Amino acid sequence: NAGVMQNPRHLVRRRGQEARLRCSPMKGHSHVYWYRQLPEEGLKFMVYLQKENIIDESGMPKERFSAEFPKEGPSILRIQQVVRGDSAAYFCASSPLGANVLTFGAGSRLTVL
Amino acid sequence: AQTVTQSQPEMSVQEAETVTLSCTYDTSESDYYLFWYKQPPSRQMILVIRQEAYKQQNATENRFSVNFQKAAKSFSLKISDSQLGDAAMYFCAYREGAQKLVFGQGTRLTINP
Repeated sequence: NAGVMQNPRHLVRRRGQEARLRCSPMKGHSHVYWYRQLPEEGLKFMVYLQKENIIDESGMPKERFSAEFPKEGPSILRIQQVVRGDSAAYFCASSPLGANVLTFGAGSRLTVL
Repeated sequence: AQTVTQSQPEMSVQEAETVTLSCTYDTSESDYYLFWYKQPPSRQMILVIRQEAYKQQNATENRFSVNFQKAAKSFSLKISDSQLGDAAMYFCAYREGAQKLVFGQGTRLTINP
């Protein structure tokens, strides 16, 4: 079992470009969560998805950010027209239905120049 | 909204000694879960220990144990026989709703040889 796989591990974008971060959950996990970690801070919840459904996006900025978890393929966190304040580590976690514990990926570090 | 507070930004301990990391939280719920996660320099989020609020017995995992005081809304982590590999950021987290975790700001633990 390969665990939660995130890629890329590091992504550099210039202001105004788009960033796409991918997350493949653990085998058998149907729930995916995205968290953002700014430097020297704890993780902040962004969005919770099941296959083809967004369950809770209360932590997602209203503009420029979107997330999906299609029937086939990884979950994608998309940030349009990135700004310097988007520079952070983005963590994905997954769990099976009804589980009490999330398993985290290693994170994707986005740097906006 | 639920909040999690870690009042110690940094802690240090001599190798082989014991250290306690503090965490308090605020909630009006009676049934919830609490977690301690470790984040080493690799940035991987690793689950250390979890506690169900309905259980009075404090959770223990090898050298790691918690002191859960529900009435005081306190959830401290004790690390016994500290090892160099324990050096990391430690995050306390509260589970809110369906798997959404609320994290504290973190405590950076240094182990002195």
